[in-house]
Amino acid sequence: DAKTTQPNSMESNEEEPVHLPCNHSTISGTDYIHWYRQLPSQGPEYVIHGLTSNVNNRMASLAIAEDRKSSTLILHRATLRDAAVYYCILRPYSGAGSYQLTFGKGTKLSVIP
Amino acid sequence: GAGVSQSPSNKVTEKGKDVELRCDPISGHTALYWYRQRLGQGLEFLIYFQGNSAPDKSGLPSDRFSAERTGESVSTLTIQRTQQEDSAVYLCASSLRASGGGTDTQYFGPGTRLTVL
Repeated sequence: DAKTTQPNSMESNEEEPVHLPCNHSTISGTDYIHWYRQLPSQGPEYVIHGLTSNVNNRMASLAIAEDRKSSTLILHRATLRDAAVYYCILRPYSGAGSYQLTFGKGTKLSVIP
Repeated sequence: GAGVSQSPSNKVTEKGKDVELRCDPISGHTALYWYRQRLGQGLEFLIYFQGNSAPDKSGLPSDRFSAERTGESVSTLTIQRTQQEDSAVYLCASSLRASGGGTDTQYFGPGTRLTVL
């Protein structure tokens, strides 16, 4: 199974950009990179996903390395509401394991007012 | 619109009792998933339903666990003869349709926190 490696925790000041890294050196060609986050006492929430090109949406940006062995989730201006555990996961396009989400421990982001 | 809802939000039970957890998915979502999250841990897949197809039960940890879904609506997860190691948050998610990793976004409910004494 393709796996990801993330730092256990990170801190950011409010209203500053945050770059959350993820390493996935064993990624296969059909694996999509997904990010979810989980606020305290809530269910996980989809953030963004991509395959090869960088992606932007209203929540965040996803920067994917050219060799796809790493990616970075970018929050452009951290707010207190962004304090959560962020999970980087790989999902095959099809076949076994493509539909279920498997989270590791993720990165706990703290935002300092 | 309404998101995924789960009930109860908290459940405390005694070892050996049966419990039933409920999930109401987003209307129109054909795929429904159950996950378990132990304290401080990641997500553990339990079971998923897609329309009228046979559910994928490959993640259920023992035969004490079972789940049902009525059509494309409500689902119930039943745990029989609960054990202390069953204590966890049980999360339900739904998506428009179960599909590969590039197109399927799962929307989660708030979870049911189960405590087995």
